[in-house]
Amino acid sequence: GAGVSQSPSNKVTEKGKDVELRCDPISGHTALYWYRQSLGQGLEFLIYFQGNSAPDKSGLPSDRFSAERTGGSVSTLTIQRTQQEDSAVYLCASSLVTKETQYFGPGTRLLVL
Amino acid sequence: GNSVTQMEGPVTLSEEAFLTINCTYTATGYPSLFWYVQYPGEGLQLLLKATKADDKGSNKGFEATYRKETTSFHLEKGSVQVSDSAVYFCALIRSLSGNTGKLIFGQGTTLQVKP
Repeated sequence: GAGVSQSPSNKVTEKGKDVELRCDPISGHTALYWYRQSLGQGLEFLIYFQGNSAPDKSGLPSDRFSAERTGGSVSTLTIQRTQQEDSAVYLCASSLVTKETQYFGPGTRLLVL
Repeated sequence: GNSVTQMEGPVTLSEEAFLTINCTYTATGYPSLFWYVQYPGEGLQLLLKATKADDKGSNKGFEATYRKETTSFHLEKGSVQVSDSAVYFCALIRSLSGNTGKLIFGQGTTLQVKP
């Protein structure tokens, strides 16, 4: 596609429910990143995928958060048993290779009630 | 550790004024430095970047020079427009081998330009 796409654009859920956020990176980009943008914490790295290598999960805030990347393309970020502090904008970015310019999607705005 | 510090906002300027947004960093090795911009209601966009000391990144009239001696990457524009109103983020990627290339962001600086 022309750019990174994310869905849904907005998600409202109740505390304790699970949510799945989707990211479609730019075609041909091998590196994929998830970040979170929240009022209190700014922009934080969550997880990184590069090809078939083991992902870097060092930024995931708890074991309720997980992500996968199927076929080296689409990625899904899953948050289990959501909490109000999970409310944020979740951003996905991709780059041609690691350390090259990252291109961001529009984000998914998550609100946990 | 590695970190980026930006000047606090909001910064409010009149159209055609000179803009400086300060950014300093702490990092081992020789990081790559970036400025990203987020316009109202839009996603993050790369504004400019510099990958080694003394490099100058430039785009849309904005400039920033990688100063290793002062560990700074200040953003400047000679004459701002109302359309430049946005949030600006300074960021770095560490240079160490094996690094994932994750961006480390500053806290963002909101710029408001008034006609």
